Amino acid sequence: RKEVEQDPGPFNVPEGATVAFNCTYSNSASQSFFWYRQDCRKEPKLLMSVYSSGNEDGRFTAQLNRASQYISLLIRDSKLSDSATYLCVVNRYSGYSTLTFGKGTMLLVSP
Amino acid sequence: EAQVTQNPRYLITVTGKKLTVTCSQNMNHEYMSWYRQDPGLGLRQIYYSMNVEVTDKGDVPEGYKVSRKEKRNFPLILESPSPNQTSLYFCASSTLTGKTEAFFGQGTRLTVV
Repeated sequence: RKEVEQDPGPFNVPEGATVAFNCTYSNSASQSFFWYRQDCRKEPKLLMSVYSSGNEDGRFTAQLNRASQYISLLIRDSKLSDSATYLCVVNRYSGYSTLTFGKGTMLLVSP
Repeated sequence: EAQVTQNPRYLITVTGKKLTVTCSQNMNHEYMSWYRQDPGLGLRQIYYSMNVEVTDKGDVPEGYKVSRKEKRNFPLILESPSPNQTSLYFCASSTLTGKTEAFFGQGTRLTVV
């Protein structure tokens, strides 16, 4: 089983749609979880951290299920500018950080 | 402004010609790392450093070297580049725990012919 798995997509959605991405991780010792956004050929940038209780930032909602080792990202009211690749990132700390990246899920929002 | 600066942004070189990609951060982060990104393979870690003079191999270290003589700088060295090292490279820095945001440089697109 791969360490961090994501559906590569692409997810093609119209503007205004709600879309959800899922991610599973294999290492139960993982401690911190993130969603990063990457535009084509540009550097990844933090979208949001993911907390056990779930958290929301505007149109974006992230959920974490430690028992199932599953992370999700929900985007409501999709905008054209949301078109990007979304990377699920898992951190394990054992004296130093080990970040493991999923391969990303591509989202294409069309007019 | 928090920043990771990589240079050059684009580089075309020939097989066997040594090159260095520089990386510098201004956040006083202990942890720095290099990744390469290839289509269908995602981000793969090449080398990382936990502090000055402390470096270790990541998942794909073959053909690369690094050094960490100063906290802010973490250059990536390709002693004898080969075409299979054609890729998009990112430098990143974060705190040692990794519990907060990792910052990435803008990337270096390397082509080895």
